Amino acid sequence: NAGVTQTPKFQVLKTGQSMTLQCAQDMNHEYMSWYRQDPGMGLRLIHYSVGAGITDQGEVPNGYNVSRSTTEDFPLRLLSAAPSQTSVYFCASSYNRGATDTQYFGPGTRLTVL
Amino acid sequence: GQQVMQIPQYQHVQEGEDFTTYCNSSTTLSNIQWYKQRPGGHPVFLIQLVKSGEVKKQKRLTFQFGEAKKNSSLHITATQTTDVGTYFCAYSQGGSEKLVFGKGTKLTVNP
Repeated sequence: NAGVTQTPKFQVLKTGQSMTLQCAQDMNHEYMSWYRQDPGMGLRLIHYSVGAGITDQGEVPNGYNVSRSTTEDFPLRLLSAAPSQTSVYFCASSYNRGATDTQYFGPGTRLTVL
Repeated sequence: GQQVMQIPQYQHVQEGEDFTTYCNSSTTLSNIQWYKQRPGGHPVFLIQLVKSGEVKKQKRLTFQFGEAKKNSSLHITATQTTDVGTYFCAYSQGGSEKLVFGKGTKLTVNP
């Protein structure tokens, strides 16, 4: 199993550009989520999904969209990138419940918005 | 809303010294998880605590969940350079499926 994979590893955008961060898992996990990590702020939940076709907002959802059309994939879309979205983005998945199951994290995408 | 503070934010120790990080909540937690993130890496699950007063050990690591389920701690005995990283607690809010992370404690170890 590859586990949780994220692409790209690094990305530089200009303000106003849009892009999609990819996340995929091959463990047949129902729960998937996106976090952003900024210095001194820990990991903050952006969006999460409890299964295909179901998504919900986390702590910091503004400026991001998600969809979950398959169990395996959970892409994160930045609609109009802003410098405040410069961060490291982690995707995570768990077998069933997000609150009580072990979260498996991908390697992260380091995003810089100029 | 639920407030969980993780302290200290930073801790620097000499190799062989002990280390403890705490997560303190203003309300009762249903469960708490602990993760470790090595520099440049991603968070890795360490353990989950569910029961009041629970204590679990993993080699030199001891995890505790307070009797009131409002506090948790991670204690490392005789730190090694391999313990370097940031330790996070994580918890759910009000029975929801959201898993929220504390701000972490960054541990550095002087060999």
